[in-house]
Amino acid sequence: EAAVTQSPRNKVTVTGGNVTLSCRQTNSHNYMYWYRQDTGHGLRLIHYSYGAGNLQIGDVPDGYKATRTTQEDFFLLLELASPSQTSLYFCASRGNQNTLYFGAGTRLSVL
Amino acid sequence: QQKVQQSPESLIVPEGGMASLNCTSSDRNVDYFWWYRQHSGKSPKMLMSIFSNGEKEEGRFTVHLNKASLHTSLHIRDSQPSDSALYLCAASRNTGNYKYVFGAGTRLKVIA
Repeated sequence: EAAVTQSPRNKVTVTGGNVTLSCRQTNSHNYMYWYRQDTGHGLRLIHYSYGAGNLQIGDVPDGYKATRTTQEDFFLLLELASPSQTSLYFCASRGNQNTLYFGAGTRLSVL
Repeated sequence: QQKVQQSPESLIVPEGGMASLNCTSSDRNVDYFWWYRQHSGKSPKMLMSIFSNGEKEEGRFTVHLNKASLHTSLHIRDSQPSDSALYLCAASRNTGNYKYVFGAGTRLKVIA
């Protein structure tokens, strides 16, 4: 099965802090995605990309930047973290037959 | 903004019973639907997909799609405690950018 690795698995920061979440896939998939998951909201799309240097805006992009540096690596940046960004973040890549493969998730707490 | 609505929010079924979950998209351009299952503390994993009108069966799981109403449903027969999970429906368009929109999910609990 396609492997997607997220780091860190857990992160605690303070309001106004800088956070970078990392995602790596070695499946040669073109599309990669960042979602946040909150109770009652399911998975909400923040940003996505179809290749190195490309960025597409998702449905809840405010307060987030993202950068796709290589085919393998997709980063999510929170430059001024706020408590409303406390959430579980999932990265995914799109594989064969349009299936999404998810990483294990990063739990972020903003105090 | 494209919306995917799922119902019910939660569902309790007895072991061996039938669970029926629903999902509707508000985007007329959507072509593809997926069902993902997420066990507690784990990441979502694709369960079934459907792109054509009609029905698709895989073991105890059956998916229906009505493209005219943009409605899909997932039915689990002979439900097992191991089926207890959050079930997420996703929809996307077939062409252009591959943007997947998920619903809020249905939390299924199967009691022995």
